[in-house]
Amino acid sequence: GAGVSQSPSNKVTEKGKDVELRCDPISGHTALYWYRQSLGQGLEFLIYFQGNSAPDKSGLPSDRFSAERTGGSVSTLTIQRTQQEDSAVYLCASSAGNMNTEAFFGQGTRLTVV
Amino acid sequence: EDQVTQSPEALRLQEGESSSLNCSYTVSGLRGLFWYRQDPGKGPEFLFTLYSAGEEKEKERLKATLTKKESFLHITAPKPEDSATYLCAVRGYAGNNRKLIWGLGTSLAVNP
Repeated sequence: GAGVSQSPSNKVTEKGKDVELRCDPISGHTALYWYRQSLGQGLEFLIYFQGNSAPDKSGLPSDRFSAERTGGSVSTLTIQRTQQEDSAVYLCASSAGNMNTEAFFGQGTRLTVV
Repeated sequence: EDQVTQSPEALRLQEGESSSLNCSYTVSGLRGLFWYRQDPGKGPEFLFTLYSAGEEKEKERLKATLTKKESFLHITAPKPEDSATYLCAVRGYAGNNRKLIWGLGTSLAVNP
């Protein structure tokens, strides 16, 4: 596709349930980022994938959060046993790989935990 | 600690009224400073990357400048469609340089 695609756009889940968020990056982009954006807060880095290297998971807030990237393309962010404080917009971005190149963002997934 | 502060938090302009948004940063060696625009319900949209003090970039009514301590986003004769939140982010050399450090943004409203 022409841009970064995320699905679903919106997700409402009950506390304690697991959720999976999907990201399709721009074709050919080797770097992929997940961020979280909460009201009144800056974008919070979660995880970074670069090619076949081990992902940088240093931003994941707890062991309930995990992410995979299959075949160097599609990525899935999984949140287990969701809590109300997990409610936020989850943004995925991809870039051509050089750390000085710009990242292009998807429209985000708005997660609401009730 | 790397830090980005944007000001003002919110700005309301009349159509055609030029102004500037500020992004002050503290970083251990600047690899790049990025400006993004974010519309409600959408992801950030890339505008500019600046790498060194003195650098300037322009796109339509927007011009970004960079010094060793701050960046300005100048908006000349803004139109209502320029209304959005403008985000600034930096990447430094030290620590986890894969992360962008983001400001909280400036919410711009341009009235017709």
